[in-house]
Amino acid sequence: GAGVSQSPSNKVTEKGKDVELRCDPISGHTALYWYRQSLGQGLEFLIYFQGNSAPDKSGLPSDRFSAERTGGSVSTLTIQRTQQEDSAVYLCASSFSIELYEQFFGPGTRLTVL
Amino acid sequence: GNSVTQMEGPVTLSEEAFLTINCTYTATGYPSLFWYVQYPGEGLQLLLKATKADDKGSNKGFEATYRKETTSFHLEKGSVQVSDSAVYFCALSDRHSGAGSYQLTFGKGTKLSVIP
Repeated sequence: GAGVSQSPSNKVTEKGKDVELRCDPISGHTALYWYRQSLGQGLEFLIYFQGNSAPDKSGLPSDRFSAERTGGSVSTLTIQRTQQEDSAVYLCASSFSIELYEQFFGPGTRLTVL
Repeated sequence: GNSVTQMEGPVTLSEEAFLTINCTYTATGYPSLFWYVQYPGEGLQLLLKATKADDKGSNKGFEATYRKETTSFHLEKGSVQVSDSAVYFCALSDRHSGAGSYQLTFGKGTKLSVIP
């Protein structure tokens, strides 16, 4: 079956612009995670959804970052007023439930802020 | 808080050599432990996992044993192949981290290159 998909695969933007990154999880997966992979920081957790609610936003680095999930499926990560330090690969993962441990990762969106 | 420390790379081995990538962890609860692999140009894939002490995870010839006494989860393979060239990430998931979200805490990654 289809895996986790993310779009766009690459995004180049200018400093100060807003960007939206999209994640389509595996059908039926209730838990959805966003991570960020950067050279300096490695892989960092950003936010977690269970259904449409986000009980854990502890990893969001600033209030410029927000995310939502609708219909228990697609999620959008929005970065407002992008900065150069936001440049990274943004990864989405989903799992059937939070109790089942395997998270399936998407290919990521590479964001470059000029 | 939770953390994962893994040996820094890059690691370069000849084909058929023995591989060990060390991983140690710090966790507040009773974590599950994972190795993820990222092949060139591809996304992260789960390689193996262990959910409790003394469990051994294995897949594709790779093994790792959950050692609670040494808080370790070292990855081993007896004979590496060129196709094993990738970046390997050790990770933990602890239901006590962050509102029980089971978020993954990753090590920095170890790049393995296997030469013929």
